[in-house]
Amino acid sequence: KAGVTQTPRYLIKTRGQQVTLSCSPISGHRSVSWYQQTPGQGLQFLFEYFSETQRNKGNFPGRFSGRQFSNSRSEMNVSTLELGDSALYLCASSVGSWTDTQYFGPGTRLTVL
Amino acid sequence: AQSVTQLDSQVPVFEEAPVELRCNYSSSVSVYLFWYVQYPNQGLQLLLKYLSGSTLVKSINGFEAEFNKSQTSFHLRKPSVHISDTAEYFCAVSEGQAGTALIFGKGTTLSVSS
Repeated sequence: KAGVTQTPRYLIKTRGQQVTLSCSPISGHRSVSWYQQTPGQGLQFLFEYFSETQRNKGNFPGRFSGRQFSNSRSEMNVSTLELGDSALYLCASSVGSWTDTQYFGPGTRLTVL
Repeated sequence: AQSVTQLDSQVPVFEEAPVELRCNYSSSVSVYLFWYVQYPNQGLQLLLKYLSGSTLVKSINGFEAEFNKSQTSFHLRKPSVHISDTAEYFCAVSEGQAGTALIFGKGTTLSVSS
């Protein structure tokens, strides 16, 4: 079974631009969660989508948004990029119950200049 | 609000020595606990998890963790480490009811040398 895939793997943007990251979950998984990983703050939960609906949201500004499509693929968008948005963005997929194991993708490394 | 504290940011040990990576959490409700591992240049992988039942949980590669409700801890242990255990280890907590969101600790880097 193919794992979680994320595209692109690396991205360089400048301040003020916007960016869209993509995540394809494991086949059959309906939940996709997004996390931001930085050296200073560690791993922080952004939001979770389940069956095209946002089910849970972390404490991030509205510049961070996401959506999920009917095939469970998910996208995350960050508008008006700031230097502090430079991070590794990870997505994780699971069948959907909180007892299910979450499988993480390799991440997208975003650098904001 | 939930929070997870990993008391050691770095733990250097020699091969075949025992190791304990400490994790404490705070939450006002019942929690479910996880340890994830991130090997160099690889993604996060689940190592083990506690949902209910026996408070001692084990992984397939020799790690074990014990849920201690009174001390709000979920320490990870291995009696004899290998070079290949060198990685960053993350403790995480979920309250369950609010979907699958995980709250992670800052991570502990385990460095095993010969």
